[in-house]
Amino acid sequence: DGGITQSPKYLFRKEGQNVTLSCEQNLNHDAMYWYRQDPGQGLRLIYYSQIVNDFQKGDIAEGYSVSREKKESFPLTVTSAQKNPTAFYLCASTGSVGKLFFGSGTQLSVL
Amino acid sequence: AQSVAQPEDQVNVAEGNPLTVKCTYSVSGNPYLFWYVQYPNRGLQFLLKYITGDNLVKGSYGFEAEFNKSQTSFHLKKPSALVSDSALYFCAVRDGTNDYKLSFGAGTTVTVRA
Repeated sequence: DGGITQSPKYLFRKEGQNVTLSCEQNLNHDAMYWYRQDPGQGLRLIYYSQIVNDFQKGDIAEGYSVSREKKESFPLTVTSAQKNPTAFYLCASTGSVGKLFFGSGTQLSVL
Repeated sequence: AQSVAQPEDQVNVAEGNPLTVKCTYSVSGNPYLFWYVQYPNRGLQFLLKYITGDNLVKGSYGFEAEFNKSQTSFHLKKPSALVSDSALYFCAVRDGTNDYKLSFGAGTTVTVRA
């Protein structure tokens, strides 16, 4: 089945630790996105990538980093500089105008 | 900068009544507009989009939305709401003359009572 796979489903971060969230798609989509979902604040864009080896900051990129070495993969690293990382993280992709396909999300919590 | 506003945090309607979820947007170029729905414990699903053409767009599950350029609005509507329509609804906008940046609103929780 084609789709977007995010892993892990739940992730816990210790103080000062970097953690990486995985996002893989087999839809042959060019563009991929990372969003953060907090209650009452909707989806906020962290990073997006239109093609391999290129990505742009979204509205809340501070404390996060990404890479796009392969078309299928767009991992997100939550660094120790992100002081409030607890949130639900959603990855998405699109191959044309608009319609995003979303993964099932990763819930990140701080220990 | 592009942005989306959903002025209502919550919308409550009785089953069988019309449902409207409001959205206004701001972009510098031509807007590409979208509605997505998130059901409890599930991912986001695409409902409909406006790129160009007819201002009234029809989408999934009987939903439709009307693009109004002068009011910079893209309200979601359903003539007769169902209890199963209870969910979190998001409006999103992309500047069609720019890159792939897609911005979402804060979301509106819809509750349809039996």
